[in-house]
Amino acid sequence: SQQGEEDPQALSIQEGENATMNCSYKTSINNLQWYRQNSGRGLVHLILIRSNEREKHSGRLRVTLDTSKKSSSLLITASRAADTASYFCATDGNTDKLIFGTGTRLQVFP
Amino acid sequence: EAQVTQNPRYLITVTGKKLTVTCSQNMNHEYMSWYRQDPGLGLRQIYYSMNVEVTDKGDVPEGYKVSRKEKRNFPLILESPSPNQTSLYFCASSPISSGTYNEQFFGPGTRLTVL
Repeated sequence: SQQGEEDPQALSIQEGENATMNCSYKTSINNLQWYRQNSGRGLVHLILIRSNEREKHSGRLRVTLDTSKKSSSLLITASRAADTASYFCATDGNTDKLIFGTGTRLQVFP
Repeated sequence: EAQVTQNPRYLITVTGKKLTVTCSQNMNHEYMSWYRQDPGLGLRQIYYSMNVEVTDKGDVPEGYKVSRKEKRNFPLILESPSPNQTSLYFCASSPISSGTYNEQFFGPGTRLTVL
């Protein structure tokens, strides 16, 4: 399977700190996406980075992509309690399928 | 409002009793997909559809059927549900451009329990 693997599986931080989570994948890709899921709810798209891009920003989010290492990182700066959620990466792997990783559970304490 | 809707949101049923979970999107998206989410396993794709009358198996299609007769609807059918199909199910849709994926829009989820 070309499933993405997020690391760490769980992360606990205090409000105001930065949170970094990583995603590794196995095959070449057209793009990589990050999603957020609040407990038991549907996933919400955060950001998409294409294979020819190295870094992308959206508000407090910063995503990097290293295609030579087949890895991506999601940085959330100045985290808030409302950022508490699970975060998933998803890759297409040059196929018709979009494959999701198992996610990182982020807990932000007030 | 642009959205993906699923019904029902919660369902408790018994082994062997056929059921259908409906999914509908109002964004004219070509691509639709069904996922199941289980603890520790993330999201696994069941079936997907690139357009009307075009469906393909995902990673875990056994025990499921789908159809895509209209662009907006993509129902998930369990002909003979079993307890191992107890899960949280998500429908998603997405436009496709240049053969690559864009943002996927997810429905609110259907929590299915098979006794």
